[in-house]
Amino acid sequence: SYELTQPPSVSVSPGQTASITCSGDKLGNKYACWYQQKPGQSPVLVIYQDTKRPSGIPERFSGSNSGNTATLTISGTQAMDEADYYCQAWDSTTVVFGGGTKLTVL
Amino acid sequence: QVTLKESGPVLVKPTETLTLTCTVSGFSLSNTKMGVSWIRQPPGKALEWLAHIFSNDEKSYSTSLKTRLTISKDTSKSQVVLTMTNMDPVDTATYYCARIHTVDGVWYFDLWGRGTLVTVSS
Repeated sequence: SYELTQPPSVSVSPGQTASITCSGDKLGNKYACWYQQKPGQSPVLVIYQDTKRPSGIPERFSGSNSGNTATLTISGTQAMDEADYYCQAWDSTTVVFGGGTKLTVL
Repeated sequence: QVTLKESGPVLVKPTETLTLTCTVSGFSLSNTKMGVSWIRQPPGKALEWLAHIFSNDEKSYSTSLKTRLTISKDTSKSQVVLTMTNMDPVDTATYYCARIHTVDGVWYFDLWGRGTLVTVSS
């Protein structure tokens, strides 16, 4: 079965750029999405179709996807961005989530 | 306003069958650009996709759980129902329903319900 691998944790200082990776076999041939989940809350879509931001998502969130790796980049990271982030892709008609990355802003 | 709301038992016993209902509002389950998925998250762990259903009644299930899952919809009631048989304590999780939206043939989960915590214990 298809798998997506994320680093368990990433740390960033406020105002700096955070990058969270998601690896999967030929992931660049699929579309990747990213979800943000804060403690006690439901996931929120922050990036879809590799690079697109839904309405209401700040411009500091961006995405890329090439080769075997999709990347979520948060520029000018703010304290409010501290959360778990999950990548997701479709494998034929089934859905795969990455294991999640805890972003710490310190 | 578009919303999804999960409902079902808070506690189930091992070996019992779980039935969860997702009631949607603000959009129709007959909309060809949309579908509904069930996704779960054990406490402190990652998201796990379970199943989805589309307007044309096309369904898909997690490979590892497909023998235990059944998804269905009642368009007139705006409800999607998931049943999971032979529940086990490892199935303890928050169960979410999420709307699948499509743009130019690309599918993604654009809206999620608040989730419902199901505990499996005798």
